[in-house]
Amino acid sequence: QVTLTESGPVLLKPTETLTVTCTVSGFSLSDSRMGVSWIRQPPGKALEWLAHIFSNDAKFYRKSLKSRLTISRDTSKSQVVLTMTNVDPVDTATYYCARHEGMTGGFDIWGQGTLVSVSS
Amino acid sequence: DIQMTQSPSSLSASVGDRVTITCRSDQDIRTFLNWYQHKPGKAPRFLIYGASTLQSGVPSRFSGSGSGTDFTLTISSLQREDFATYYCQQAYSTSWTFGQGTNVDIK
Repeated sequence: QVTLTESGPVLLKPTETLTVTCTVSGFSLSDSRMGVSWIRQPPGKALEWLAHIFSNDAKFYRKSLKSRLTISRDTSKSQVVLTMTNVDPVDTATYYCARHEGMTGGFDIWGQGTLVSVSS
Repeated sequence: DIQMTQSPSSLSASVGDRVTITCRSDQDIRTFLNWYQHKPGKAPRFLIYGASTLQSGVPSRFSGSGSGTDFTLTISSLQREDFATYYCQQAYSTSWTFGQGTNVDIK
């Protein structure tokens, strides 16, 4: 069974750095058909893709947030980590990690998400 | 980035109704279009890829069509478990983008 599980802080203050971790099971981060993305949903708003890491370690970022985002992986721990610097209240959102499947080109398995609030 | 626009933003329907949601991209994305269903507090569910191919396990009452810039998601006979928000997502450009969502609620 394929699962993705997000973990991270519940509350951050403005200007702090957000680090969220996605722990995967049931597939390998080195599988050439797979990649993992981070996607967020602010309260009452739409899904917003943030960053992606491919099996070959290539990385892509949302253009508007590229300067603040870093995605990385630890294949030995089956984890994908997203860091976002200098957070602001507008970064309050549920952060999801999702598996991207190469054949379909879609996000076929998602985690349950982790809610991160930014407030002073 | 490719902009995706869905319509309507919300709709009310009854069990058994036929429901159609439209998604438009601001440039030609061929058939690189996916659909998702999202319920509050749950993980989004992958429904359709390639504009019209049902993901494994998705009921046949769901269907997708379109190519280029105009796409539709149709639910042929709405069931109680289908009340949710639906999102389209373009898979043409690696800078993936979603539509703003269409909330389907009970009339």
